Amino acid sequence: NAGVTQTPKFQVLKTGQSMTLQCAQDMNHEYMSWYRQDPGMGLRLIHYSVGAGITDQGEVPNGYNVSRSTTEDFPLRLLSAAPSQTSVYFCASRKAAGGNTIYFGEGSWLTVV
Amino acid sequence: KNEVEQSPQNLTAQEGEFITINCSYSVGISALHWLQQHPGGGIVSLFMLSSGKKKHGRLIATINIQEKHSSLHITASHPRDSAVYICAPTRHSGGGADGLTFGKGTHLIIQP
Repeated sequence: NAGVTQTPKFQVLKTGQSMTLQCAQDMNHEYMSWYRQDPGMGLRLIHYSVGAGITDQGEVPNGYNVSRSTTEDFPLRLLSAAPSQTSVYFCASRKAAGGNTIYFGEGSWLTVV
Repeated sequence: KNEVEQSPQNLTAQEGEFITINCSYSVGISALHWLQQHPGGGIVSLFMLSSGKKKHGRLIATINIQEKHSSLHITASHPRDSAVYICAPTRHSGGGADGLTFGKGTHLIIQP
């Protein structure tokens, strides 16, 4: 049981480049989310999904795009990378809303130069 | 306005000390998670609780739903407990977003 698999772990991008962070879970979870973690700011929600075919914006969605074509996969796309997107990104999943255990990916350290 | 307040923000203690981290929140919740993040590492869920108290080894979590307050205790602390501990109340379903709110974390260092 792999849990939540997130790749890549480290990435350096040049300003203006695009890339996709991959996230996959094998627990048949409905809820999947992407967060960014910046010093002193805690985890902030970028986009989330409550099931295949359904996505919605979180607190800081600008510059990011997501899709949920299957229950398992929830990729995060950076459309045109900016230095302000330098951050640590975490994907998370859980079975449903409410009191269900949260599972996080190992994180992706992204630097935009 | 912060929906979740954790205290202290930073804590340095000696090995063996009893540690308490507090979390206060302002939203109605269905459950609260305590998360642990080691330096440079991923995030793991330590506890999910909706009432009373839970214990895993040297870790104890308590919650008072009426007072909107939770605490995480570590008994006989050890240097390997050094990590950031994050409180994450979970709102009832609906109301937008994915229901999770996060504290900014408590950075704990246990010195040998």
